[in-house]
Amino acid sequence: GAGVSQSPRYKVAKRGQDVALRCDPISGHVSLFWYQQALGQGPEFLTYFQNEAQLDKSGLPSDRFFAERPEGSVSTLKIQRTQQEDSAVYLCASSLDLTVYGYTFGSGTRLTVV
Amino acid sequence: KQEVTQIPAALSVPEGENLVLNCSFTDSAIYNLQWFRQDPGKGLTSLLLIQSSQREQTSGRLNASLDKSSGRSTLYIAASQPGDSATYLCAASGAGRRALTFGSGTRLQVQP
Repeated sequence: GAGVSQSPRYKVAKRGQDVALRCDPISGHVSLFWYQQALGQGPEFLTYFQNEAQLDKSGLPSDRFFAERPEGSVSTLKIQRTQQEDSAVYLCASSLDLTVYGYTFGSGTRLTVV
Repeated sequence: KQEVTQIPAALSVPEGENLVLNCSFTDSAIYNLQWFRQDPGKGLTSLLLIQSSQREQTSGRLNASLDKSSGRSTLYIAASQPGDSATYLCAASGAGRRALTFGSGTRLQVQP
C-alpha cells in the first residue's frame, strides 16, 4: 500500500479484556516498530522487528504485552487483561532502510480502557 | 540511554515570523535524527531526516541542522503560516539501538 495502515482506528475495551491491534507496513519494508504515545507526550518505544525476527522488545511495559510478525509483513500487538494505564495511542512505523529513509508512521490506534 | 529534550514546550507566533525549535540529545552515537509533525488526533508526518554524517537538511521553508558534538539539533521554519500550527517532535536513535527516542514535542501556534 501507499502508507502504513493501522486498524482499528479506535478501540474501547473494558478493563480485563484482551485486545489485538494490527499494523500493515509499507510493502517491502523490513523494519517494523511499535510505539506507545500517552496524551501530551512523545511516543515511547515498545518493540522492533526485522522481517519476522523480534530483535528488541525491551520497551514492552509488562508480560501482558505481546507482539508478533509471523511472515515478516503484517504485525499484531496484543495486550492481555487490559488496564486503565494501557489507554494510549499505539503507533506503528516501518522502514526500508533506517539510515537512509528513516521511519514512516501509521495514523495509530487510540485505545481507551474503561 | 538516549534522552531527548525539546525547548520550548509551546510557542505562539504571528504569521510571517521565522522561528527556531530546539532539540538536545544525550548520546551522540546516533544513526540519524528525524523531525516529525503531528496534528491533533493524527499520526506522525516525517519532515526531515538528517543522517549521522550530515550537518543539515532542507525542504521548502524548513531547515534542520545537526551538531553531534554538542548534542543539538534545530528546526528552522521560515515565514511561518497558520497551517504550520501543530506539534513538532524531534527523535534520535542512539546507544546502539535502532529505535528512535522522542522528545515531548513543541506545540506551535501560528496566529493569522
